[in-house]
Amino acid sequence: QQQVKQSPQSLIVQKGGISIINCAYENTAFDYFPWYQQFPGKGPALLIAIRPDVSEKKEGRFTISFNKSAKQFSLHIMDSQPGDSATYFCAASRGILTGGGNKLTFGTGTQLKVEL
Amino acid sequence: EAGVTQSPTHLIKTRGQQVTLRCSPISGHTSVYWYQQALGLGLQFLLWYDEGEERNRGNFPPRFSGRQFPNYSSELNVNALELEDSALYLCASSLQGEKLFFGSGTQLSVL
Repeated sequence: QQQVKQSPQSLIVQKGGISIINCAYENTAFDYFPWYQQFPGKGPALLIAIRPDVSEKKEGRFTISFNKSAKQFSLHIMDSQPGDSATYFCAASRGILTGGGNKLTFGTGTQLKVEL
Repeated sequence: EAGVTQSPTHLIKTRGQQVTLRCSPISGHTSVYWYQQALGLGLQFLLWYDEGEERNRGNFPPRFSGRQFPNYSSELNVNALELEDSALYLCASSLQGEKLFFGSGTQLSVL
């Protein structure tokens, strides 16, 4: 019940294209869904996050789409650039608003490569 | 402002040994989280400390332990090392909120 399944495992996109990464979760108690970006040799960095009361959130070229009924959420990277080449992790947690901390359950990651 | 700092950056140990990893959170952050990132796997939650107390732990054996000091820095201890403990150990800090800020991790190799 705590799993977050992420796909695809790897993705190659041409510069200027749209990168799409999908995640599905099982635990309906999750109430916070962030995406993290990780470059080699670095720790993950928060990219964008969404709560289940909205269906979409956009920050610059990055958009999260959220489908509560299907228990799925996805990351769209518009106008993908070579500098976006990194590993992307979706995650989910519960209990932030009730003082339960932010114990994140992560997907297994997607290696994105943006080619010129 | 300094980010989350972890030490050492790399460590090589042999089976059965013990190791201590250290983490300094962002100034003002009271919560510290530890995650294990094994090759090919996502990040697995290990421990959460807040205000000096262990608040939650993940599905790891008791030989994984830690503590948080009054200055909010934290240590992760792993006893009786096994080969499968080889991983990147990441520390993150936060201030009662959603944003976790991760350090660059300690790469542990167990031979």
